[in-house]
Amino acid sequence: DAKTTQPPSMDCAEGRAANLPCNHSTISGNEYVYWYRQIHSQGPQYIIHGLKNNETNEMASLIITEDRKSSTLILPHATLRDTAVYYCIVRPRRNRDDKIIFGKGTRLHILP
Amino acid sequence: NAGVTQTPKFRILKIGQSMTLQCTQDMNHNYMYWYRQDPGMGLKLIYYSVGAGITDKGEVPNGYNVSRSTTEDFPLRLELAAPSQTSVYFCASSYGDRAAVGNQPQHFGDGTRLSIL
Repeated sequence: DAKTTQPPSMDCAEGRAANLPCNHSTISGNEYVYWYRQIHSQGPQYIIHGLKNNETNEMASLIITEDRKSSTLILPHATLRDTAVYYCIVRPRRNRDDKIIFGKGTRLHILP
Repeated sequence: NAGVTQTPKFRILKIGQSMTLQCTQDMNHNYMYWYRQDPGMGLKLIYYSVGAGITDKGEVPNGYNVSRSTTEDFPLRLELAAPSQTSVYFCASSYGDRAAVGNQPQHFGDGTRLSIL
């Protein structure tokens, strides 16, 4: 599975857009980019995923570069409740299993 | 809609005791997973199951056992509790389908906080 690299921590002012980068330079053509977050003491929460096109939902936007070697998760108007650890994960399309390998993620601090 | 439900939420065990962490889901997902998360660390996969009667080891299976007799339930068993198993345990499920594998998010429970003293 492709490995991801994320900065260990980031700060963002409340109300501003939070842009979380992820490098996945060894991603292969059939691997999806997924983002999850984990708010303190809770289970991970799915945010968004994509293959090669940019995606948007009610929580966030996902921008994937044309070569697919990196992506950015965008929280358009960060609030204090967005303080969490954000995990970028690549997941292949398999016939057998669907397991996720989590890295250490980015700890995002939203500052009031 | 309950989603993934884990019980108990907290438990303290003595070294050498055994216990079963319960996980049930009501979304008719056929894929289920167990992860552990040590303080300040990411999640590590213990075991997973792609359907009733089928289980496979993850990254850190030693000291644990699982069974999957129904689609809904995926209990995790600790036979001889050790201090190294002090952790937060998360269960997750996803809709696994050969055509959709890789394209379905996992849904997580709220975790079981386990301390071994």
